[in-house]
Amino acid sequence: GEDVEQSLFLSVREGDSSVINCTYTDSSSTYLYWYKQEPGAGLQLLTYIFSNMDMKQDQRLTVLLNKKDKHLSLRIADTQTGDSAIYFCAESLYSSASKIIFGSGTRLSIRP
Amino acid sequence: DSGVTQTPKHLITATGQRVTLRCSPRSGDLSVYWYQQSLDQGLQFLIHYYNGEERAKGNILERFSAQQFPDLHSELNLSSLELGDSALYFCASSDRTENTGELFFGEGSRLTVL
Repeated sequence: GEDVEQSLFLSVREGDSSVINCTYTDSSSTYLYWYKQEPGAGLQLLTYIFSNMDMKQDQRLTVLLNKKDKHLSLRIADTQTGDSAIYFCAESLYSSASKIIFGSGTRLSIRP
Repeated sequence: DSGVTQTPKHLITATGQRVTLRCSPRSGDLSVYWYQQSLDQGLQFLIHYYNGEERAKGNILERFSAQQFPDLHSELNLSSLELGDSALYFCASSDRTENTGELFFGEGSRLTVL
């Protein structure tokens, strides 16, 4: 089946690390993505990982992929107020390369 | 600026009416995707067109239809509108020759059905 699930909310203190989790059901996923949506804007790609990788690091962002458990996470180090947004996990399906399925999004809020 | 243009930005209409949302993809992108974002359902995939042809359908109601024209712009037609159709409708485009499949989103068309 095609389903991507995320928790709806996450609140962290400024300067701490944020970890946003996602589970997906389709084992034929080729690429997995994290998109960011700021208020009043469309989604923008933050980072992606190919399904044969376990980890990808890009500056403050670390993506971990556990294919066995179909679990994807995004860690944001030293979270800043500018990181406040909705973060979407998404998968590109090998079985249907024309579909990119998104989770419901996790709203990240930053406490001072 | 993603390069994807959606019009109108806001639209208010009544139940039973019909509206058309328009999307111009990034220059050179052949793929156009439509998504519906509502508060209770997250971001739902509706339909994907590639170079004028329908490639995949998601949770798109029969009251909704879409097409992609020879100049690659796309339109999403919503008819017999219901209150529950109120949502933000996003268009996204991609360059399918680029393997990662990154989508470039427009700013969305906010539809309010009264």
